[in-house]
Amino acid sequence: GNSVTQMEGPVTLSEEAFLTINCTYTATGYPSLFWYVQYPGEGLQLLLKATKADDKGSNKGFEATYRKETTSFHLEKGSVQVSDSAVYFCALRGKDSNYQLIWGAGTKLIIKP
Amino acid sequence: ETGVTQSPTHLIKTRGQQVTLRCSSQSGHNTVSWYQQALGQGPQFIFQYYREEENGRGNFPPRFSGLQFPNYSSELNVNALELDDSALYLCASSLAPSENTGELFFGEGSRLTVL
Repeated sequence: GNSVTQMEGPVTLSEEAFLTINCTYTATGYPSLFWYVQYPGEGLQLLLKATKADDKGSNKGFEATYRKETTSFHLEKGSVQVSDSAVYFCALRGKDSNYQLIWGAGTKLIIKP
Repeated sequence: ETGVTQSPTHLIKTRGQQVTLRCSSQSGHNTVSWYQQALGQGPQFIFQYYREEENGRGNFPPRFSGLQFPNYSSELNVNALELDDSALYLCASSLAPSENTGELFFGEGSRLTVL
């Protein structure tokens, strides 16, 4: 079945550091891929998405590229800020998904000033 | 624009009891899905409602049931509560399935503790 694996947290970085959060997936066909973010005290919200191979999703300085050959969708940001501290979830929706999203376990990101 | 609201935010039940959680969808959305999120885990899909009917279900037993009302709000009912049902229950609203490319709008969740 479909599954998502993302790196365990917490990930602790200093402000202005480069961020990578790894995400790999298992799915038949070509799923759509997503990064959601959960800020403290708030609901999950979509950060970015990509719907086909080699697409790059981007938002708020974050980027992720849909890599079919490595079944990956790693999240990157060139210079993180304290306000980026949150829990980040990688998710996929398969073509035969029954509409559901399949989620990774989440990676907590802590940015220190 | 009104966001997704859920109630109650926290509740405590004992094993064997029943619980009802409520969700109001974001304005303009007619589809509601429910997810269970255990501590330290990603959300698990329970089911989705569209036009007042369940049109997708995850791997949850029948004691998890739901309703959607004409105003698109929704309820999640869990009967015969078990200790493992302790989790954060998330409601998400979205556009109709044929229009939705995967963007869900979540409430802050209802945290259920079963003792």
